Amino acid sequence: KQEVTQIPAALSVPEGENLVLNCSFTDSAIYNLQWFRQDPGKGLTSLLLIQSSQREQTSGRLNASLDKSSGRSTLYIAASQPGDSATYLCAAGGTGNQFYFGTGTSLTVIP
Amino acid sequence: DTAVSQTPKYLVTQMGNDKSIKCEQNLGHDTMYWYKQDSKKFLKIMFSYNNKELIINETVPNRFSPKSPDKAHLNLHINSLELGDSAVYFCASSQADSSSGYTFGSGTRLTVV
Repeated sequence: KQEVTQIPAALSVPEGENLVLNCSFTDSAIYNLQWFRQDPGKGLTSLLLIQSSQREQTSGRLNASLDKSSGRSTLYIAASQPGDSATYLCAAGGTGNQFYFGTGTSLTVIP
Repeated sequence: DTAVSQTPKYLVTQMGNDKSIKCEQNLGHDTMYWYKQDSKKFLKIMFSYNNKELIINETVPNRFSPKSPDKAHLNLHINSLELGDSAVYFCASSQADSSSGYTFGSGTRLTVV
């Protein structure tokens, strides 16, 4: 069964700093990998989706990479802002339309 | 414009009651899901429906039953509610091949007292 791990569980950085969030998965036979953002008491907002044939996706200050062979994905956030404070979740898409979620990284950007 | 909408947003009920949570998507997606997010914020899939056919059921108690009148709706019925059912329940949808990823609803916070 697929297991998805996110490290670190929590991260606090000063505003303006670049940062990297890590996601690892045990089964490399994934169809895609999706990064989400969850604000307190809110739903999940999709940030980036990387198909298994792709190496990276970019949206604004966000860049997500995927290395299937090593079972890793990273989410790079450039020039962090206080509004980026949220929990970031990665989900690995496998067979049967099933997405396996990581435990999330809680990010705090300090003004 | 809401892509995936679920109601109610909050639900407080007593143990033993039966309740339902509704979910609708207007994205034309083929598959809908229910996820449970526990107190530790871990998301675990409960059900998915594709063309009115249940294709995933991850060891969920049979007190929980999904009902899909059409491919735009997937409602969650819960019988004989227990304290441990308290959680946030999320509805989501995707294309059948999940090639465009998931779209989530805003969640229903269920509190059983």
